[in-house]
Amino acid sequence: AQSVTQPDIHITVSEGASLELRCNYSYGATPYLFWYVQSPGQGLQLLLKYFSGDTLVQGIKGFEAEFKRSQSSFNLRKPSVHWSDAAEYFCAVGAVGNDMRFGAGTRLTVKP
Amino acid sequence: ETGVTQTPRHLVMGMTNKKSLKCEQHLGHNAMYWYKQSAKKPLELMFVYSLEERVENNSVPSRFSPECPNSSHLFLHLHTLQPEDSALYLCASSQVQTKTEAFFGQGTRLTVV
Repeated sequence: AQSVTQPDIHITVSEGASLELRCNYSYGATPYLFWYVQSPGQGLQLLLKYFSGDTLVQGIKGFEAEFKRSQSSFNLRKPSVHWSDAAEYFCAVGAVGNDMRFGAGTRLTVKP
Repeated sequence: ETGVTQTPRHLVMGMTNKKSLKCEQHLGHNAMYWYKQSAKKPLELMFVYSLEERVENNSVPSRFSPECPNSSHLFLHLHTLQPEDSALYLCASSQVQTKTEAFFGQGTRLTVV
């Protein structure tokens, strides 16, 4: 069965610092991978997705993620964090015909 | 605005009440989902409807009863809930058999008193 692990429950970074959120997945075939962001009291918004091809994918709001098959990882990065990036971030794995599985989420706090 | 609309946004209900959550999608998708999001717990998949048929029920208690009358609408009927059922209930939709992501509604914040 497919599963997703986000090892970091909570991360705090200073505004302007770089960010990397970790995601590891378990899936028998090539998965489709996603990162979502959730602001307080809101639903989940898609940041970026990977289906195939270039392993470095660009998303909205200046985020990017890199698919590393050898490490079963799909880490999310941003070179310079803004205070408005404070939110909960979810990694997800899916496949055609299957429902999506989500990680437990990583809460990002941004210090002034 | 993601094309998935949930109502109401907030709901407070007693343990003996009966209420329903509604989800509507305007994306032409053929699969809809209910997720439960509790504090400090992973997102839990509750129900999946694909082509209007329930394809998954993740051991959800019978006090939660889903209904999918057509591909655009999804309901979650609630009765005799417990305080631990208080959570954010999220609806999502997607197009199965294609490469696509799920689109989420803004959720219904449910409080059981």
